[in-house]
Amino acid sequence: NAGVTQTPKFRILKIGQSMTLQCTQDMNHNYMYWYRQDPGMGLKLIYYSVGAGITDKGEVPNGYNVSRSTTEDFPLRLELAAPSQTSVYFCASSYSTTASYEQYFGPGTRLTVT
Amino acid sequence: KQEVTQIPAALSVPEGENLVLNCSFTDSAIYNLQWFRQDPGKGLTSLLLIQSSQREQTSGRLNASLDKSSGRSTLYIAASQPGDSATYLCAPQTGSQGNLIFGKGTKLSVKP
Repeated sequence: NAGVTQTPKFRILKIGQSMTLQCTQDMNHNYMYWYRQDPGMGLKLIYYSVGAGITDKGEVPNGYNVSRSTTEDFPLRLELAAPSQTSVYFCASSYSTTASYEQYFGPGTRLTVT
Repeated sequence: KQEVTQIPAALSVPEGENLVLNCSFTDSAIYNLQWFRQDPGKGLTSLLLIQSSQREQTSGRLNASLDKSSGRSTLYIAASQPGDSATYLCAPQTGSQGNLIFGKGTKLSVKP
């Protein structure tokens, strides 16, 4: 079982470029999440999805877009990259949001915008 | 708005010590609370999940407690080992959509 996988592991972007961070889970989880982690800070929620075709904003959505066309995939799109988007991005998934279900995290994508 | 504080920010102990990591949160209306471990440059590994109706959860040398009414959770690590060195994060689930609110973590170093 691969769990939650993310690609790429590392990426350097120039200001104004765009890219898509890929996230795939093979656990048939309905709920998927994107978080970012800035140095020395806690993770913050960017976007989340409660199922295929349904997405919603989290705490820090500006500058990002998401889509969820399948249960397995939840890509995060950065348009017009800015230095403030330099961060480590984590994708997570959960079977349910009731109290007994934990979230599983991917290994992260380290993004630098220069 | 939920805010999570973890104390201490960093901790260095000799191997074999028992230790306690603290987590406090401002909104007691939580669904559950997860403790994670994060190794440098790696993702998060879930250690324990405590449901809001539970007081305690154990896994091996780890024991996590939850006092929801006072907004506190503690992670107890028994007989610490160098392999326990990592950053430990606590994250209560506040919303019904499952989003977690994270503290900044406690960076633990266990010296041989």
